Amino acid sequence: NAGVTQTPKFRILKIGQSMTLQCTQDMNHNYMYWYRQDPGMGLKLIYYSVGAGITDKGEVPNGYNVSRSTTEDFPLRLELAAPSQTSVYFCASSPLGAGGRETQYFGPGTRLLVL
Amino acid sequence: AQKITQTQPGMFVQEKEAVTLDCTYDTSDPSYGLFWYKQPSSGEMIFLIYQGSYDQQNATEGRYSLNFQKARKSANLVISASQLGDSAMYFCAMIPLGSQGNLIFGKGTKLSVKP
Repeated sequence: NAGVTQTPKFRILKIGQSMTLQCTQDMNHNYMYWYRQDPGMGLKLIYYSVGAGITDKGEVPNGYNVSRSTTEDFPLRLELAAPSQTSVYFCASSPLGAGGRETQYFGPGTRLLVL
Repeated sequence: AQKITQTQPGMFVQEKEAVTLDCTYDTSDPSYGLFWYKQPSSGEMIFLIYQGSYDQQNATEGRYSLNFQKARKSANLVISASQLGDSAMYFCAMIPLGSQGNLIFGKGTKLSVKP
C-alpha cells in the first residue's frame, strides 16, 4: 500500500515554463488536496477535489490548474511559472473530508524552484 | 475568519523533559477538528494527534497529549519525556466541520531537543 505518491521530488523551472506535478493515491479516497508550503510557513490550500470530475479553488489558486479524471489521480498544473511559485507542494487525500478524526494522508512533497 | 496562531517560532527542551507547544484558534463553526502534525527535516508531514470539538476528554497518543481548553480556544500539544528524534517543526491545524475538509495550518513551532 503506497499511500500518496508525488512526482517529481524536486524540479527547477525557468520563469515562464510550465509543468505538471503528479499525485496518486491508492486508498480509494474521495477527497484530495493540493497545498503549498513557503519557507518558515504552514501549508496553504491551493485546490481541492471531493471526487472525480469535481474540483474547487482553495486559498491561493492563482497560477495553478487542476483536474480530477479518476479517483486516484489529482495532477496540479503550473502555467507560466513565476519565482513566487518557488515552494514545497504537498498533495493529500482523505476518506471523509471533514468527517472527524480521520486524518489527511500526505505525500512526501515536491520541491519546486523557479529561477 | 478561521485562523490558527502558534506564537512560539522556536522552542528548546532538554532531553527527557516535557514541553508544551502553544496553539490558539479562531472559528465561528460550532464543530471542528484540531490536529497536530510533525514535520522533521526530511519534510514529510506526520500526523500526531486529533481532538474533536465535542470530545469530552483530552486526546492522548503515547507521549503526546492535547491540552484542549474550548472556552479559551486553545489546543496545546504536550510532549512528555522528550527524545532527540522529537526535534522538528510542529504544526497545529484545524478543520471546520462545515468545510470540505481542508486543513487550516498555523505557521509552526520549531522544537529543538538538547542532549
